[in-house]
Amino acid sequence: DSGVTQTPKHLITATGQRVTLRCSPRSGDLSVYWYQQSLDQGLQFLIQYYNGEERAKGNILERFSAQQFPDLHSELNLSSLELGDSALYFCASSVSAGEGEQFFGPGTRLTVL
Amino acid sequence: QQQVKQSPQSLIVQKGGISIINCAYENTAFDYFPWYQQFPGKGPALLIAIRPDVSEKKEGRFTISFNKSAKQFSLHIMDSQPGDSATYFCAAQKNTGFQKLVFGTGTRLLVSP
Repeated sequence: DSGVTQTPKHLITATGQRVTLRCSPRSGDLSVYWYQQSLDQGLQFLIQYYNGEERAKGNILERFSAQQFPDLHSELNLSSLELGDSALYFCASSVSAGEGEQFFGPGTRLTVL
Repeated sequence: QQQVKQSPQSLIVQKGGISIINCAYENTAFDYFPWYQQFPGKGPALLIAIRPDVSEKKEGRFTISFNKSAKQFSLHIMDSQPGDSATYFCAAQKNTGFQKLVFGTGTRLLVSP
């Protein structure tokens, strides 16, 4: 158990809908990262927050947004969902904002029908 | 330049054999190279990591070999066990400010009994 929690574990929804994925980092970790894992594209970095502020952005679609709250938990919002958004979404956390071990949560499996 | 190329895509090794997974990068600014192990239904977990000031790092049965001039690094799993069957991801990161981890595409390892 990495200490990172993610909810929900599974999510099934329809195209065009909006969902929110939640992540609680390990105690003491200030950085939260979001990744998308699909069969054909591996692990793709989406976005990083450090102590409430956006710090790095990857290949995140404009339909996706995230935030980190004062208690350091983070939410990833996915809107206008498309079939291609079906994937595993992982949250990771780390103590610092730069180099170092990232601890991954168990992931949320999103299925868009 | 941000890519990390990983091979092979899948690997079958007999119990007791040596598993070798290779990665190559282009960006010479990368200076932190971790390997992550992912079991089905779980998030990736850090296995071992290396910085380019050393050519080899060993932790138990797992060894990273690093060739800075060739911009290549590899993971060797000695005495491979069925419990090592998992997907392995190499990654690279620049150690300046807020830098994302760039992951390879993953290698699915199956160790046959």
